[in-house]
Amino acid sequence: EVRLVESGGGLIHPGGSLRLSCAASGFTLRNYWMHWVRQGPGKGLEWVSRINGIGSNTSYATSVRGRFTISRDNAKNTLYLQMNNLRTEDTAVYYCARGDPSFWGLPYWGQGVLVTVSS
Amino acid sequence: EIVVTQSPGTLSLSPGERATLSCRASRGVSTTYIGWYQQKPGQAPRLLIYGVSSRATGVPDRFSGSGSGTDFTLSISRLEPEDFAVYYCQEYGTSQSVTFGQGTRLEIK
Repeated sequence: EVRLVESGGGLIHPGGSLRLSCAASGFTLRNYWMHWVRQGPGKGLEWVSRINGIGSNTSYATSVRGRFTISRDNAKNTLYLQMNNLRTEDTAVYYCARGDPSFWGLPYWGQGVLVTVSS
Repeated sequence: EIVVTQSPGTLSLSPGERATLSCRASRGVSTTYIGWYQQKPGQAPRLLIYGVSSRATGVPDRFSGSGSGTDFTLSISRLEPEDFAVYYCQEYGTSQSVTFGQGTRLEIK
């Protein structure tokens, strides 16, 4: 069974840093693109970042580029999102999601982790 | 960067009726990259449709997708009580980024 479990969220002051983790199980992480998607309170889905299977290809939403870094440790079956210089508008539930090798879409999602940026 | 616009913002229908949700991209996109997701309160999104018209595993056949170019549609043939949720259109990555529409809330009339 494919399982994605996010952790590392919490309350952080503006300008602070936080690292989210996504523990993957039930599949071989290195074979899949992985994504982070967030959802602000009462808002829609916003794609944040993605990374290919070996970590050589990454891309970011304009709103986080230069502040967030996506990475992965395939040996540990874990995806990361390093978030620096956090802003109040980064407050959201952050989901990790897995791609699929045969089509473009995100068939598996974690339950999400809440990040609150507030003074 | 592609902009994806969904309409209507809210759709009020009764169980048993047909729902038609629209998604428009700011420029033409490959059908390969268009997907639809369903999200219920307190839950993660669920992939319904990929490649414009292919149903994901376990998705009932009352859900169907269509479209090409810049205009895409998600149709639900006969609404069941569990179908009332928020639906998002997604453009997966023509320009090295992924874009979601703002969502359509499907509510019980």
